[in-house]
Amino acid sequence: DTGVSQNPRHKITKRGQNVTFRCDPISEHNRLYWYRQTLGQGPEFLTYFQNEAQLEKSRLLSDRFSAERPKGSFSTLEIQRTEQGDSAMYLCASSPVGQRATGELFFGEGSRLTVL
Amino acid sequence: AQTVTQSQPEMSVQEAETVTLSCTYDTSESDYYLFWYKQPPSRQMILVIRQEAYKQQNATENRFSVNFQKAAKSFSLKISDSQLGDAAMYFCAYCDFGNEKLTFGTGTRLTIIP
Repeated sequence: DTGVSQNPRHKITKRGQNVTFRCDPISEHNRLYWYRQTLGQGPEFLTYFQNEAQLEKSRLLSDRFSAERPKGSFSTLEIQRTEQGDSAMYLCASSPVGQRATGELFFGEGSRLTVL
Repeated sequence: AQTVTQSQPEMSVQEAETVTLSCTYDTSESDYYLFWYKQPPSRQMILVIRQEAYKQQNATENRFSVNFQKAAKSFSLKISDSQLGDAAMYFCAYCDFGNEKLTFGTGTRLTIIP
């Protein structure tokens, strides 16, 4: 399977703990996106990378959130001092750039976070 | 900022019938993409159909077609010959040309009645 892979699929944590999610994009895709989806809502943009460079961050991404893509391949999204409001599905997506770009994003299955 | 509105939280259709999902959007750009994505329960979101704003012809993919009205900023999805596997959340999405940062609507849950 060469699709977008996300781990872990589910994470339950206590308020105040740190959590980290990993995303492995489709190998030839330069762009990687993180979205957050809460119940009954559409996904909301958090941040995106082109190769290893983080090009844009949403105002939704508070100081407790940090994302990295150190070698331009996989990415991690860390949430420090989790709050109950962080409970959501965190979606990762990737896309190619250049002539192969069509505007389409390829999504992973998501990592569901529950903060108790 | 661009916004996408889906005014139908839920829709249902009899198997083999046709259903139309509505979407409106707001933008000041002239070049952009519009999409319909499908999110089945506990599975990843996948692209159903895509429309470039500069193309007047409505996009079609097998049983799925769109009615793109640029002046009205309307982008509806028609599903013909509905199948049980079409049951899912459907999200309308927008992005500026050259930037795949998507803005999504709140979704429409489609139920197929056997």
